[in-house]
Amino acid sequence: DAKTTQPPSMDCAEGRAANLPCNHSTISGNEYVYWYRQIHSQGPQYIIHGLKNNETNEMASLIITEDRKSSTLILPHATLRDTAVYYCIVRVAFNNAGNMLTFGGGTRLMVKP
Amino acid sequence: DTAVSQTPKYLVTQMGNDKSIKCEQNLGHDTMYWYKQDSKKFLKIMFSYNNKELIINETVPNRFSPKSPDKAHLNLHINSLELGDSAVYFCASSQEGRVYGYTFGSGTRLTVV
Repeated sequence: DAKTTQPPSMDCAEGRAANLPCNHSTISGNEYVYWYRQIHSQGPQYIIHGLKNNETNEMASLIITEDRKSSTLILPHATLRDTAVYYCIVRVAFNNAGNMLTFGGGTRLMVKP
Repeated sequence: DTAVSQTPKYLVTQMGNDKSIKCEQNLGHDTMYWYKQDSKKFLKIMFSYNNKELIINETVPNRFSPKSPDKAHLNLHINSLELGDSAVYFCASSQEGRVYGYTFGSGTRLTVV
């Protein structure tokens, strides 16, 4: 699986857009970009994923650069409840190694009033 | 109905004891996992299991063993507990290992004294 690099922490004002970057310069053609988040004391929660095109769902938007070497998760109107650790994961959709999902250090997003 | 449920939520026990954590999923997923999150907050995969095979992270001591009585359950047994086993343990499930479809339980905080 490709390695990802995320800033360890970020702040965002409530109501503003939170833009969380992720670098994955060694991504392979068949690897997707996935985002999960972990709110304090809870299990991780899936947010969104994409391969090449930008994606949007009810939680967030995912912008992937044309060369696919980096991406940005956008929370359009951050709320206090979005305070969490956000994990960017690059992986093939399926693999034979038990399909295990590996988490890095993530970005700790603090949304402030 | 909780999709992935773990019991107990908290577990305090003495060194040397043997304990189990139960996990049940009602999503019809075919693959289940156990993760450990230590005090530094890193999430580490321990096991991946479906009805075909068990994949073990090589760093997991053999004091830890998963037991699956049926497709909906994957319990974690820990023998001869040590202080370093104190952590939060998360169970998760997915269908065919699809990365976007991981659903996590709310975690079990194990404290070994």
